[in-house]
Amino acid sequence: NAGVTQTPKFRVLKTGQSMTLLCAQDMNHEYMYWYRQDPGMGLRLIHYSVGEGTTAKGEVPDGYNVSRLKKQNFLLGLESAAPSQTSVYFCASSRTDYGYTFGSGTRLTVV
Amino acid sequence: TQLLEQSPQFLSIQEGENLTVYCNSSSVFSSLQWYRQEPGEGPVLLVTVVTGGEVKKLKRLTFQFGDARKDSSLHITAAQPGDTGLYLCAGAKASYDKVIFGPGTSLSVIP
Repeated sequence: NAGVTQTPKFRVLKTGQSMTLLCAQDMNHEYMYWYRQDPGMGLRLIHYSVGEGTTAKGEVPDGYNVSRLKKQNFLLGLESAAPSQTSVYFCASSRTDYGYTFGSGTRLTVV
Repeated sequence: TQLLEQSPQFLSIQEGENLTVYCNSSSVFSSLQWYRQEPGEGPVLLVTVVTGGEVKKLKRLTFQFGDARKDSSLHITAAQPGDTGLYLCAGAKASYDKVIFGPGTSLSVIP
């Protein structure tokens, strides 16, 4: 019962480097989401997807790109990392709006 | 401006005490969810409420959705150290809409 799996769990990047965060779910959920969580700011939605091949912007999309080529995977890319992108990133999936299943997070530090 | 407000922001109590945390908004929600997040982990769904006035119980936790569907409360009876964590409420303004998270209440239960 894996649920939502995020890789990597930790990463340190230098300013300007790029990386991709991978999210995989095995529950056949249609909806997938990427959030960032910062102290005092709560969970903020970056991008989301309502199905394979679709993506949409959330509350804080600038500096990020996403892709959902397969239903079970949702990738979050940082093309040129900035210190302001230091955060904990969570992926979530859902079948409806009645509850999200979250991954355990990726702690990203940009120096 | 937070669409969902939670209070208190921090709460530290002794084991065995009762407590109530609140989630408030000026907006109407079609459904409201409560999550608990432990350090280093992603949020875990506790309950979803969808009907105004609805009360749901989960062992020692009692959740209530306000009659006007603008607010909710979480009451914990005889708190235990295992209840320690960040409690998040999240609301969807319409069915199949993405949810909005509140900033959370950080609960610490001291043995």
